[in-house]
Amino acid sequence: GDSVTQMEGPVTLSEEAFLTINCTYTATGYPSLFWYVQYPGEGLQLLLKATKADDKGSNKGFEATYRKETTSFHLEKGSVQVSDSAVYFCALSVGNDYKLSFGAGTTVTVRA
Amino acid sequence: GAGVSQSPSNKVTEKGKDVELRCDPISGHTALYWYRQSLGQGLEFLIYFQGNSAPDKSGLPSDRFSAERTGGSVSTLTIQRTQQEDSAVYLCASSLAVEQFFGPGTRLTVL
Repeated sequence: GDSVTQMEGPVTLSEEAFLTINCTYTATGYPSLFWYVQYPGEGLQLLLKATKADDKGSNKGFEATYRKETTSFHLEKGSVQVSDSAVYFCALSVGNDYKLSFGAGTTVTVRA
Repeated sequence: GAGVSQSPSNKVTEKGKDVELRCDPISGHTALYWYRQSLGQGLEFLIYFQGNSAPDKSGLPSDRFSAERTGGSVSTLTIQRTQQEDSAVYLCASSLAVEQFFGPGTRLTVL
């Protein structure tokens, strides 16, 4: 079945450090790929998405490129801030129903 | 505008009792999803409603779980004869297309 594997956490960084969270997927058909973020005390919200191979999703300084050849969608940010501390989920959907399959989540803590 | 709302925000119940969780989606959103977030299983899809079509129940873990969506809007997730392993945060999301908008969740604790 469709599944997502993402880097285990927790990850602790200093402000202005570079962040990478690895995500790989297995899917039948051609999935759409997503990164969702859950800030402390808040609900899940979409961070970025890519719907076809080689697309790059970007938002709030975060980027991820849909790599079909490596079945990956790694999340990157060049200079993190304390406010980026959150749990990040990689997810995919296949087909027109858009129901999501999530990775396990990666907890990121950024220290001043 | 108003986002997805869920009630109650917290629910504590005794093993064997039935519970109902409510979701109010964003007005006009045709699709509605329920997910469960638990320590052991992560985020799991439960059920999906799209317009007037029959719901996709493929993620429901047992026949103790059911859901309905009345008038294409409000949805209720019902868990009968709750078990301790049902303890989790139940999330509702709605959408018009690709992006799903999530509610704050209902934290269910089964004692």
